[in-house]
Amino acid sequence: GENVEQHPSTLSVQEGDSAVIKCTYSDSASNYFPWYKQELGKGPQLIIDIRSNVGEKKDQRIAVTLNKTAKHFSLHITETQPEDSAVYFCAAGLINDYKLSFGAGTTVTVRA
Amino acid sequence: GAVVSQHPSRVICKSGTSVKIECRSLDFQATTMFWYRQFPKKSLMLMATSNEGSKATYEQGVEKDKFLINHASLTLSTLTVTSAHPEDSSFYICSARLGRGGNTIYFGEGSWLTVV
Repeated sequence: GENVEQHPSTLSVQEGDSAVIKCTYSDSASNYFPWYKQELGKGPQLIIDIRSNVGEKKDQRIAVTLNKTAKHFSLHITETQPEDSAVYFCAAGLINDYKLSFGAGTTVTVRA
Repeated sequence: GAVVSQHPSRVICKSGTSVKIECRSLDFQATTMFWYRQFPKKSLMLMATSNEGSKATYEQGVEKDKFLINHASLTLSTLTVTSAHPEDSSFYICSARLGRGGNTIYFGEGSWLTVV
């Protein structure tokens, strides 16, 4: 099955700086890669996703890149703000399938 | 965006009793819903897939007789933890798949279960 690894496990950045989280996946058939943000005591929220026919996708301060050859994808948050502090999860799976495999999560702390 | 609602958000029950958690898709029909369990500072573990009108599909190692899942309508799935024990205490999260053939998944707010 799919195995997703996520790094780093914790990330502390100064407000205004960028944050980058990287994930690798094992199943070359995976073609859907969502990112979720989870605040303490709440369910994960989808923040951005990318499909394998696209190499990069951007939504305001958030961008995701995908390298299918290397089987890795990354989340980039620019101009970080304190409200960006949360746990971020990457996931990988197949479109038209229902199973997503999740990374272990990255705790992001934005220092004011 | 799509909204998935869970109830209750927190519940405390006594050992040996059963507790039901509801998951509703508020503004869309979800033929497939998912139930996850999450331990503190850990990732999400898929427990089972709830299919409207049919039996749930459980992941390996998940006891189907202990975690009863019912998906009676296109907007509601329930998870019942039967004969609860303290080790069942956890954060339970549901999610719903938006659209047939699509893989956009939205999560509920989660339910904290404490078994005393």
